Amino acid sequence: SQQGEEDPQALSIQEGENATMNCSYKTSINNLQWYRQNSGRGLVHLILIRSNEREKHSGRLRVTLDTSKKSSSLLITASRAADTASYFCATDGVTDSWGKLQFGAGTQVVVTP
Amino acid sequence: NAGVTQTPKFQVLKTGQSMTLQCAQDMNHEYMSWYRQDPGMGLRLIHYSVGAGITDQGEVPNGYNVSRSTTEDFPLRLLSAAPSQTSVYFCASSATPSGGYTFGSGTRLTVV
Repeated sequence: SQQGEEDPQALSIQEGENATMNCSYKTSINNLQWYRQNSGRGLVHLILIRSNEREKHSGRLRVTLDTSKKSSSLLITASRAADTASYFCATDGVTDSWGKLQFGAGTQVVVTP
Repeated sequence: NAGVTQTPKFQVLKTGQSMTLQCAQDMNHEYMSWYRQDPGMGLRLIHYSVGAGITDQGEVPNGYNVSRSTTEDFPLRLLSAAPSQTSVYFCASSATPSGGYTFGSGTRLTVV
């Protein structure tokens, strides 16, 4: 069973626009991570936000976490064609589930020049 | 700096055959995982290891075996391949259990 679910499933935007995608999860977490996957490649770790954090920034990425709503959002500002990829959220559970990431189905983002 | 190396990149098996997917990392990471990725389903955890000699099952372990004799290597064995095991397999490693993971480039497996 998947812990995280991303919304929307697909997103098409123009270069320069912002892209926002959301992730909802079901059980308590230790942290939540976002990954990017370019077509035919492995996943690349983007950012990690811990359960006691509400917002985190990394370059053009902004992640928020609302543990009361069990949801997170990833914002990519000033999108570029190179941001075209699938984006996945992954939750890291508590206690004996540490490190056993559970992934959502991903959001496919297409950025057109 | 190789990171996580997976071999082979592509493999076609006949039903009932066995094979081993190789995974090696050169970052001295204790934590390693195997995932499978199927269309529209994200990644699902197959097996997990917290260090040499210690492994644990993930969400979908049936039909797969693992062992961890060294920190560097974490091979995944398919005992008797089935068409349902057609998937893309990813190996990943991390220095800490709750840190970000480094992924390999994947093995695309087709079972006919």
